[in-house]
Amino acid sequence: GQNIDQPTEMTATEGAIVQINCTYQTSGFNGLFWYQQHAGEAPTFLSYNVLDGLEEKGRFSSFLSRSKGYSYLLLKELQMKDSASYLCAVMDSNYQLIWGAGTKLIIKP
Amino acid sequence: IAGITQAPTSQILAAGRRMTLRCTQDMRHNAMYWYRQDLGLGLRLIHYSNTAGTTGKGEVPDGYSVSRANTDDFPLTLASAVPSQTSVYFCASSEDRETDTQYFGPGTRLTVL
Repeated sequence: GQNIDQPTEMTATEGAIVQINCTYQTSGFNGLFWYQQHAGEAPTFLSYNVLDGLEEKGRFSSFLSRSKGYSYLLLKELQMKDSASYLCAVMDSNYQLIWGAGTKLIIKP
Repeated sequence: IAGITQAPTSQILAAGRRMTLRCTQDMRHNAMYWYRQDLGLGLRLIHYSNTAGTTGKGEVPDGYSVSRANTDDFPLTLASAVPSQTSVYFCASSEDRETDTQYFGPGTRLTVL
């Protein structure tokens, strides 16, 4: 079966750095997405990785290792507004997105 | 309209009733999707459409039907609602199914009693 694993919940301090990990086992691989979802709202796109390595976009970076079936999302200079759930999703060989259950990130002052 | 709109925002429905959730996008995207999101689970694909006039089944299609008469609209119908269909439903679209980022509507919170 196909599986996406990410921690259920993480806590971090305002101004700090946090890394959210995602491991996956899917039928084929056509890219990995990270989305942010605030409570009661729709998911919004953060990043896309299809090749190994690090993609940096402002305070957010995403890393991919296809050989290890592993990705992480790195959030720097955390702000209170970063409190949200972060969803990892992999596009499989049928071009269907397989979603993890999400990591709820709690930011403390 | 900017992006994707969904209606209604929320609905309480008696079991056995028929319900259509509406979704409209103004981005001229070819592909559209319906997901359900339940606590502790990832988003699960119900149905999708690669382009107007075509639809396909996702991971959890039973009890749901869709149509894609034109590019902009992608309604989801529950023919006879059951309590297990209580969920938050998100419509999404992308320029193409194979490579592009999906953009989500605000969601419909449905409760079936």
